[in-house]
Amino acid sequence: DTAVSQTPKYLVTQMGNDKSIKCEQNLGHDTMYWYKQDSKKFLKIMFSYNNKELIINETVPNRFSPKSPDKAHLNLHINSLELGDSAVYFCASSQAVDSPGGLQPQHFGDGTRLSIL
Amino acid sequence: SQQGEEDPQALSIQEGENATMNCSYKTSINNLQWYRQNSGRGLVHLILIRSNEREKHSGRLRVTLDTSKKSSSLLITASRAADTASYFCATANTGGFKTIFGAGTRLFVKA
Repeated sequence: DTAVSQTPKYLVTQMGNDKSIKCEQNLGHDTMYWYKQDSKKFLKIMFSYNNKELIINETVPNRFSPKSPDKAHLNLHINSLELGDSAVYFCASSQAVDSPGGLQPQHFGDGTRLSIL
Repeated sequence: SQQGEEDPQALSIQEGENATMNCSYKTSINNLQWYRQNSGRGLVHLILIRSNEREKHSGRLRVTLDTSKKSSSLLITASRAADTASYFCATANTGGFKTIFGAGTRLFVKA
């Protein structure tokens, strides 16, 4: 039983294309996240949703648009892909953060490896 | 600059030895977490230590937190080849909800 699952695992596409990555969690968590990990393993948060509501929207190009149809799903759509978008994208989920500055343990998917040709 | 920064960047030890990784952060925290990432996989949560705790144990893992120095360390005792992975610390931005990960320590345990 995969707790956080992402599809696809690998995504190879041409510059300028539009693509989506899907994420689902079966842990009953209220909060979901998207992270980008670059080639140097640096992990940076992109978005976070709590009960389908966007709570973190980092400085990412507006070509990236998250969508949360329900609290178990958080998808990421990317328009007009660029070479610099090549990275591994991770979805994660956690129980709701109950106070500012606090953290809850996050459960991660195994990532989507995006390669732009 | 990023909140959590690990030291060393890379560590290579023999099986059976202990491995110590350090994390420094810049602002006030409520808690700090450590994660492990095996090659090609997602991060796995290891341990959470609250700001009012100084030390926490979980199996072969020992985490310390020094809020006066804004630093934490992760000790893995009697390391095994299976401990080979990258280890990250994570904190939240002050008064916020954003998780900030350090650059990680790459641990290689030789059998």
